[in-house]
Amino acid sequence: QKEVEQNSGPLSVPEGAIASLNCTYSDRGSQSFFWYRQYSGKSPELIMFIYSNGDKEDGRFTAQLNKASQYVSLLIRDSQPSDSATYLCAVPPGGTSYGKLTFGQGTILTVHP
Amino acid sequence: DADVTQTPRNRITKTGKRIMLECSQTKGHDRMYWYRQDPGLGLRLIYYSFDVKDINKGEISDGYSVSRQAQAKFSLSLESAIPNQTALYFCATSEGDQPQHFGDGTRLSIL
Repeated sequence: QKEVEQNSGPLSVPEGAIASLNCTYSDRGSQSFFWYRQYSGKSPELIMFIYSNGDKEDGRFTAQLNKASQYVSLLIRDSQPSDSATYLCAVPPGGTSYGKLTFGQGTILTVHP
Repeated sequence: DADVTQTPRNRITKTGKRIMLECSQTKGHDRMYWYRQDPGLGLRLIYYSFDVKDINKGEISDGYSVSRQAQAKFSLSLESAIPNQTALYFCATSEGDQPQHFGDGTRLSIL
C-alpha cells in the first residue's frame, strides 16, 4: 500500500457544483495534512493545510480529516473553470518534521461550464 | 522577482553528461528540498537540507548528489545522466516546519 494515495481521476464536475477530492494515508501518527494545487506546466501552490485537531474552511475550500478511516478530503464549493487543475495531497510521516512530505499522485479536476 | 528561482528552466542533454540544476531563494528560509515529478507518480523527494551543514537523502537519491553552498543556494547534480532521469524537477523551501513553497521547475530531457 502506498503511503499516500489519491484517485488520479480525472474528476469532472459542472460549474457551480461541489468537487470532492479524497486522500488516504497509511501512517496513523501523521499530524498534519497539506493540499497543493498544480496547474498544467506550473509549480505546486499551497492552498490549504490542516492539523489533526480539526477541519478548516477557507473561502470556497474546506479540508476535512477522518482520523479513524485515515483519509483527508478537500471540498471545493461553487466550482469554477479556473479550479481545473491537479490537486496534490501531502503528508509528513508521524513523529517527524514536516520536511519529509510524501505526496500522493494527484487528482486531476476538470470543471466544465 | 520569484522568491524561489530555478535555473535552467529547460535543459536537453545526452546520456552520460554531468548536469547541475541550481536553486536560489530570497525568502530567507532555512530548509530546502529537491523533488522530481513524473506523470502519474506525483512528487518524490530526492534530497533535503535543514540548514547549510545538514544534507539528507530522500526517497530516490540514487544517481543524484546535492550541495548547499549557502543558506540561499541548493544545487542538484546528476553525475552521469541517464534517460530515466528525464523528468520535471522542483526545488522547494520552508521556514522550519512551515509549509513548503516551490520554484517554477526545471524540465530536464536526457536523450
